[in-house]
Amino acid sequence: TQLLEQSPQFLSIQEGENLTVYCNSSSVFSSLQWYRQEPGEGPVLLVTVVTGGEVKKLKRLTFQFGDARKDSSLHITAAQPGDTGLYLCAGGENSNYQLIWGAGTKLIIKP
Amino acid sequence: DAGITQSPRHKVTETGTPVTLRCHQTENHRYMYWYRQDPGHGLRLIHYSYGVKDTDKGEVSDGYSVSRSKTEDFLLTLESATSSQTSVYFCAISGSPRSYEQYFGPGTRLTVT
Repeated sequence: TQLLEQSPQFLSIQEGENLTVYCNSSSVFSSLQWYRQEPGEGPVLLVTVVTGGEVKKLKRLTFQFGDARKDSSLHITAAQPGDTGLYLCAGGENSNYQLIWGAGTKLIIKP
Repeated sequence: DAGITQSPRHKVTETGTPVTLRCHQTENHRYMYWYRQDPGHGLRLIHYSYGVKDTDKGEVSDGYSVSRSKTEDFLLTLESATSSQTSVYFCAISGSPRSYEQYFGPGTRLTVT
């Protein structure tokens, strides 16, 4: 069974600080996605990365797919309270086109 | 935002009763999914559909059944609710599974007492 491990599970930092969240697996994925979920809502897709070594930027958020397509990271620069939420990574496998989900990183940005 | 609604948004039911949750989409997407979300487990796939009347089991399908008689509606039924099925249930849709991009509804919080 493929697994995606996210770390840290919980992170609480002050506004303005930088942070990195990790998503790791021993398996290769054809693509990897990051979602953000706010309390009482469904996850919202932030980005999809498909090529090993790929880097995508979304304003202050930088997403990277590992060269071997087994891991990914999300880096937030100058975090703001609006970045608070649950960040989920999900890997796509070719065999059945289903997503493998990480358990999430709960991020709190304090003003 | 993708047009996905779920009903009801909240439900409290008793052990042993059947419960049906509804997912409705206005995007005409072929693929629909039911997940449950529990602390520490992330999202776990219950059932999914790849077309009208075409469904398959996911990782945690025991105790659940689904039906899809129209493109826009995907129903999840708990045949005899148990306390272990207390959870938040999310519906998701996808236009193409090859993209792996899924769009989620707002969720249904189900409590089984």
